[in-house]
Amino acid sequence: DGGITQSPKYLFRKEGQNVTLSCEQNLNHDAMYWYRQDPGQGLRLIYYSQIVNDFQKGDIAEGYSVSREKKESFPLTVTSAQKNPTAFYLCASSIAPGGDQPQHFGDGTRLSIL
Amino acid sequence: QKEVEQDPGPLSVPEGAIVSLNCTYSNSAFQYFMWYRQYSRKGPELLMYTYSSGNKEDGRFTAQVDKSSKYISLFIRDSQPSDSATYLCAKAPGNNRKLIWGLGTSLAVNP
Repeated sequence: DGGITQSPKYLFRKEGQNVTLSCEQNLNHDAMYWYRQDPGQGLRLIYYSQIVNDFQKGDIAEGYSVSREKKESFPLTVTSAQKNPTAFYLCASSIAPGGDQPQHFGDGTRLSIL
Repeated sequence: QKEVEQDPGPLSVPEGAIVSLNCTYSNSAFQYFMWYRQYSRKGPELLMYTYSSGNKEDGRFTAQVDKSSKYISLFIRDSQPSDSATYLCAKAPGNNRKLIWGLGTSLAVNP
C-alpha cells in the first residue's frame, strides 16, 4: 500500500542536541511538507519542498533544517536553536506543488525534551 | 481575524445524530476547500475535497460550500462512535503554495 512513513513514533531530545525526524513516501508525489502541531494552535508549516533538491521556508522555519536529496525522502532536523521543540510533527505530501492539491499525511512523530 | 475560523468545540452528540461542523473564511480569492479527520495520535486523513459552491456527498458525509456567505460545512449523518475525532477544515488560496488551516473541532459521539 502506498503511503507516508514517519519514524520514530516517539523521540526524546536532550538539551543542546540535534535530532532528525524521518519521512518517506512511496506515492510518487513531487511535493512534501513538514508541519508542527501544538494544542490550540493548529497546523503550522515549517518547510516544504516542491521538487528534489529544492525547499522553501514555511511560517516557523527558525531552528529547523531539511534536505530533499531523493523524491521519496524529506528528513527534518530539529536543531539546538529550536528552544521549544516539544510538539507533534507531521509530514505530508501532494502529487504536485500548488495550493489546490490535497495533502496526504503520515502518522506523526511526537518529540519531547528530556 | 484568522483567514479560516473554526469553533474548537468540544462537540458531544449521541450516536445516530446528524452532526454539523462549520468553518468561515475571510479571503475570497480562489477557493478549494478540504475537510480532514484526525484521530488522537494520528495524522490527518483527507475526507472531502471540493471547489465549487453547493454540496458534495460521500457516504454519510456531505460537504457544503456557500461562497456568498464564506461558509463551509461538513455534515455527518447517522454519526457513529468511530466518528469521534478532530475535524480540520483547510482552504487553498490558489497560487500560494500553502494551505490555510482551521484549528479543528473536537467531536465526541457517545454510544
